[in-house]
Formats: sequence, structure tokens, C-alpha cells
Amino acid sequence: EAAVTQSPRSKVAVTGGKVTLSCHQTNNHDYMYWYRQDTGHGLRLIHYSYVADSTEKGDIPDGYKASRPSQENFSLILELASLSQTAVYFCASSVRWGGGAETLYFGSGTRLTVL
Amino acid sequence: GDQVEQSPSALSLHEGTGSALRCNFTTTMRAVQWFQQNSRGSLINLFYLASGTKENGRLKSTFNSKESYSTLHIRDAQLEDSGTYFCAAEGPGGYKVVFGSGTRLLVSP
Repeated sequence: EAAVTQSPRSKVAVTGGKVTLSCHQTNNHDYMYWYRQDTGHGLRLIHYSYVADSTEKGDIPDGYKASRPSQENFSLILELASLSQTAVYFCASSVRWGGGAETLYFGSGTRLTVL
Repeated sequence: GDQVEQSPSALSLHEGTGSALRCNFTTTMRAVQWFQQNSRGSLINLFYLASGTKENGRLKSTFNSKESYSTLHIRDAQLEDSGTYFCAAEGPGGYKVVFGSGTRLLVSP
């Protein structure tokens, strides 16, 4: 069974502070993703990575940085947290997306509240 | 504009009944995945389809790439089926996956 672990499960941050969300996968997957979910909405892609030491911008990258120091670990960094970044953040991994039986495996999410 | 239009946005079912959820795509998609988000917020894989139909217990999903839609049928609904259901589709460009806005399902006794 694929395993994606996120930490912390929830966090309260102050406006202007730095926040780091962590994700660890034990699936030996090449692809990792960070998504954001706002209440009552679907998920939107922030950043993704297909190899260690490289990250790519998703659909809503502004205000976020990502870091992939190893195949297993993928972090999302908010250098200057803002109220509008209050949301639930999901990390996911996949062998690759498309072309076969690959699927996205999600972590349990991190609920971030910026005050 | 939005590439994935999911409907209905909310649905109420009595136990034992069934219904269908639908995702329409405004562009050609290579594959679709369906998820259930349960009451704890976890996203559970239901189906991945590049074409055709798959069935698992009381759930069945179809993906028609030519006509740009996918459906998820639920039969004999149970209380534990309550949650939000999302479709996520892969566009022709590769990595890009677009999520629908979800269908909030409530199953009542």
C-alpha cells in the first residue's frame, strides 16, 4: 500500500511568518505534488517535482516555494504567510501520471490557518 | 476557463438507492481518476480510467474520452458513502491534472 505522510497535521501561523509543510513518501515514486484545497472547492496544483533537486510550478505557485531534497521528501514553503493562504494542503505522489495504471496517492492533508 | 465541470454539486440519497455523478471536460483528456473525500478529509482512490468502464462493488465508473465525460455510478448507497466525490482528469500535456469542484453526497437512513 502506497504511503504518503504529511506533517504537521495542522498549523496556526501568523501573517508574515514562515511556514514549512513537509511530505514524505515511501513508494519509490518519482512524481510528487502539492495541492491546495479551499473550503467547498476542488484541489489546485501549487508545485510538483519529478526528480530530486528539481521543482516545477503548477497552476497557482505565487507565494509558495517548493523543495525536493531527495526522492522521498518534498516540502512546501510559505516565506511570508498571508491570510489568503489559509487552506488545507495535500501532498501526493505517483509513479507518473497517465499512460497506465498509475494513480495519485494522497497524504492526509495539513490544515493551515494564518491569523 | 474551467476544464472539468462536475455535477451535481450536492446530492442526497436514502440508503439503498443509487445515482450517478458526472464530469464533463471542455478539452480532450487522457485519463480520469475518481476520489472520495471522507469525513476526516482523507482522499481515497476509487478508480483510474484511461478508457472504458470499471466496477468495484457498488461503484462503477465510465470514461468516454471521445465525448469528453466520465461518470461514477453508486448503487445501493450506504451511510459510509457520504462524503465529497472528486474527479481529476489528465490533460493531453502530461503532468497536468485538473480537479472538478466535487459532489457533496449525503446518504441518510
